[in-house]
Amino acid sequence: DTAVSQTPKYLVTQMGNDKSIKCEQNLGHDTMYWYKQDSKKFLKIMFSYNNKELIINETVPNRFSPKSPDKAHLNLHINSLELGDSAVYFCASSQMGQGRTEAFFGQGTRLTVV
Amino acid sequence: AQSVSQHNHHVILSEAASLELGCNYSYGGTVNLFWYVQYPGQHLQLLLKYFSGDPLVKGIKGFEAEFIKSKFSFNLRKPSVQWSDTAEYFCALSGAGSYQLTFGKGTKLSVIP
Repeated sequence: DTAVSQTPKYLVTQMGNDKSIKCEQNLGHDTMYWYKQDSKKFLKIMFSYNNKELIINETVPNRFSPKSPDKAHLNLHINSLELGDSAVYFCASSQMGQGRTEAFFGQGTRLTVV
Repeated sequence: AQSVSQHNHHVILSEAASLELGCNYSYGGTVNLFWYVQYPGQHLQLLLKYFSGDPLVKGIKGFEAEFIKSKFSFNLRKPSVQWSDTAEYFCALSGAGSYQLTFGKGTKLSVIP
């Protein structure tokens, strides 16, 4: 069983479209994250949710909207996609409640906006 | 605020050479420290972690790291690298009580056969 799974793995879309990336974890963790990795491999946190509550919301355009229907899921919806949104998006989870802060990452979603 | 800096952008080594990748952090309290590895085209995997106790931690694949509190450092070492160690290496920090895992900019390691 995959611990943190994201779908889709690849996403190619045109500018202006709206798209969603789904993430699910079966580790029983209480905290989930979205990270963006740019072409230079830099990993930047976008959002963090703890027990379905938004904890961290970095300076991300409001075209990006996370949704956490339950502790095991954290989806990312992106409106009006722009060329600069092209990147690899990683979902991750950890168990912050027990101080075990190591994060487990999904396989990533490579988003290409054309 | 918490931050991580990795000194080397790209390191090129021959097989069997020894490796040391630098990592320094900034945070005013208790820290949890990590090294992650990202093989080409893959996701991040945890190499090793430090929460407390022995400052010399051993991870998978022969890697180890030493936490030196006075230097705010957590350098990664391996005595003898292999071609299969070619990857991007990320140092990361989580401050105690923080919900944020902050990454350094990564160091690309290329091992030449």
